[in-house]
Amino acid sequence: AQSVTQLGSHVSVSEGALVLLRCNYSSSVPPYLFWYVQYPNQGLQLLLKYTSAATLVKGINGFEAEFKKSETSFHLTKPSAHMSDAAEYFCAVSFSSSGSARQLTFGSGTQLTVLP
Amino acid sequence: GAVVSQHPSRVICKSGTSVKIECRSLDFQATTMFWYRQFPKQSLMLMATSNEGSKATYEQGVEKDKFLINHASLTLSTLTVTSAHPEDSSFYICSASPPRTGNTEAFFGQGTRLTVV
Repeated sequence: AQSVTQLGSHVSVSEGALVLLRCNYSSSVPPYLFWYVQYPNQGLQLLLKYTSAATLVKGINGFEAEFKKSETSFHLTKPSAHMSDAAEYFCAVSFSSSGSARQLTFGSGTQLTVLP
Repeated sequence: GAVVSQHPSRVICKSGTSVKIECRSLDFQATTMFWYRQFPKQSLMLMATSNEGSKATYEQGVEKDKFLINHASLTLSTLTVTSAHPEDSSFYICSASPPRTGNTEAFFGQGTRLTVV
């Protein structure tokens, strides 16, 4: 069975500081990994995805994540936090299977607060 | 990116009534859509997989008769919460994957906030 663990339900950083949101996965087959952002009362927006290509993935809004198979991790980072980055972030995993739409298993989410 | 639209964004209904939520893929065809439920301050939990032209597949613990899913066309799936009760109040979100992404990426609707009073 596949699962995702996000360490830290709440993370606070100062504006301009490094953002690091942690995600570890468990999967018996090569995973597809995703990071999504959710603003209050809205759906989810894809930040970036790993689909077995480059291990360092760059996404939107200056975010990036590195897939580390040895550590089963896919942590999300951003060099300099902006106030607009304050939101809920979800890590998700999916099996790689051809011909199927993306059924995702989500982590519990991390609320990012950016302090002025 | 692809566009998935959900309607309504918010709905308030009386206990015992039914509510229908629509999920549309606006610029692609989706043979499969997914319905998630999100409780406050919690993650998304998959409720069911909506399959065009066939019965939906429900996750364990999800009542089929409570949450009716219909996927009558390649661009529309509906979730009907029947005989709603206050405990059904939640945020419901749908998703779909465009074939052009090789089914590697899910796009989400804006979500529907259901409040049952």
